[in-house]
Amino acid sequence: KQEVTQIPAALSVPEGENLVLNCSFTDSAIYNLQWFRQDPGKGLTSLLLIQSSQREQTSGRLNASLDKSSGRSTLYIAASQPGDSATYLCAPLGGSEKLVFGKGTKLTVNP
Amino acid sequence: DVKVTQSSRYLVKRTGEKVFLECVQDMDHENMFWYRQDPGLGLRLIYFSYDVKMKEKGDIPEGYSVSREKKERFSLILESASTNQTSMYLCASSCPRLASSYEQYFGPGTRLTVT
Repeated sequence: KQEVTQIPAALSVPEGENLVLNCSFTDSAIYNLQWFRQDPGKGLTSLLLIQSSQREQTSGRLNASLDKSSGRSTLYIAASQPGDSATYLCAPLGGSEKLVFGKGTKLTVNP
Repeated sequence: DVKVTQSSRYLVKRTGEKVFLECVQDMDHENMFWYRQDPGLGLRLIYFSYDVKMKEKGDIPEGYSVSREKKERFSLILESASTNQTSMYLCASSCPRLASSYEQYFGPGTRLTVT
């Protein structure tokens, strides 16, 4: 059974810092991996999707990498801003077409 | 633009009531999902559907049922609501036919309180 771990559980940084969020998963037989953002009390917003054949994906200040063989993905946020404050969730997708979610990293960017 | 809507943002129901949560997507997606999200437990899959009238149990189906009579609509039913079903409920959809296949799109969530 797929298990997903996100480290750290919480992170507080000053504005402008570059930061890395980590995601590890136990079953490397995945189809893709999605990174989501969730604001308090809201739904999930898809940030990036990396197919299993890809190594990384970029969108603006966000860059996600995937090392399927080692069961790791990272989300890199460049030049963080207070508006980036949210919980970030990673979720690999297996052959069952179901996502398995980590518990997330709560990010606070201080002005 | 992708759109998944849920019938209510906030809902308060009494123990024993029958509760319907509705989800609609306008993207012609085959797959639809219902999750619940609880502090410390994360998101857990309740049910999913890969086509009209098709459904599959997720990790925590007990106390829930679903209905998918039309492709765009997926309903979650609490036959007799209990206080331990107080939670945030999230609906999602995905399409295996697309180039970015299986990317899941989420609705805004329904915060259900059962008293």
